[in-house]
Amino acid sequence: AQKVTQAQTEISVVEKEDVTLDCVYETRDTTYYLFWYKQPPSGELVFLIRRNSFDEQNEISGRYSWNFQKSTSSFNFTITASQVVDSAVYFCALSVYSSASKIIFGSGTRLSIRP
Amino acid sequence: EAQVTQNPRYLITVTGKKLTVTCSQNMNHEYMSWYRQDPGLGLRQIYYSMNVEVTDKGDVPEGYKVSRKEKRNFPLILESPSPNQTSLYFCASSLSSGRASLAKNIQYFGAGTRLSVL
Repeated sequence: AQKVTQAQTEISVVEKEDVTLDCVYETRDTTYYLFWYKQPPSGELVFLIRRNSFDEQNEISGRYSWNFQKSTSSFNFTITASQVVDSAVYFCALSVYSSASKIIFGSGTRLSIRP
Repeated sequence: EAQVTQNPRYLITVTGKKLTVTCSQNMNHEYMSWYRQDPGLGLRQIYYSMNVEVTDKGDVPEGYKVSRKEKRNFPLILESPSPNQTSLYFCASSLSSGRASLAKNIQYFGAGTRLSVL
């Protein structure tokens, strides 16, 4: 069975601080994809990133970076120099080869950035 | 513009009154899916469809029905809504449901439908 765990239910930091959102996944498949989605207060889901299980290179996109470590089954997301606009619920998700298009979501982490 | 459109965005109804939430995509996607989002539980899959006339249960199908008569549409039907179906619903679509095309499968989500059943 597949599972995604986001142990941090809520995080609150002051603007300009760095913050890391943790994601731990479980799967026996060797081929899988990991995702991060952002859900701002308006409610829509915004796709942020997708990584496949064969590519452990970390990725940086502006203030966002992702650390994928198969050894610990983690796919953590760091926001550098956080801004108020980063306030949202963030979901980590997993899709495995054996289930094709099904996505398993974590329970989400609510991030609040205080001015 | 490529998009997944859900209607209505907000709905308040009463127990037992049948309702349908529509979902339409303009990307010629094979795969469509419905999720519900509840606090502390993330998104859970209700039903999915691999193609026209091919549908299957997800993780939480009880109390819901779907149909896929056309490729672009995938309505979610609540025959007799109950208060425990109060939730935020998302429709999603992706290019293909096949395993070989997993690399292409980014799911596109609709804007969500917030349903309250009184």
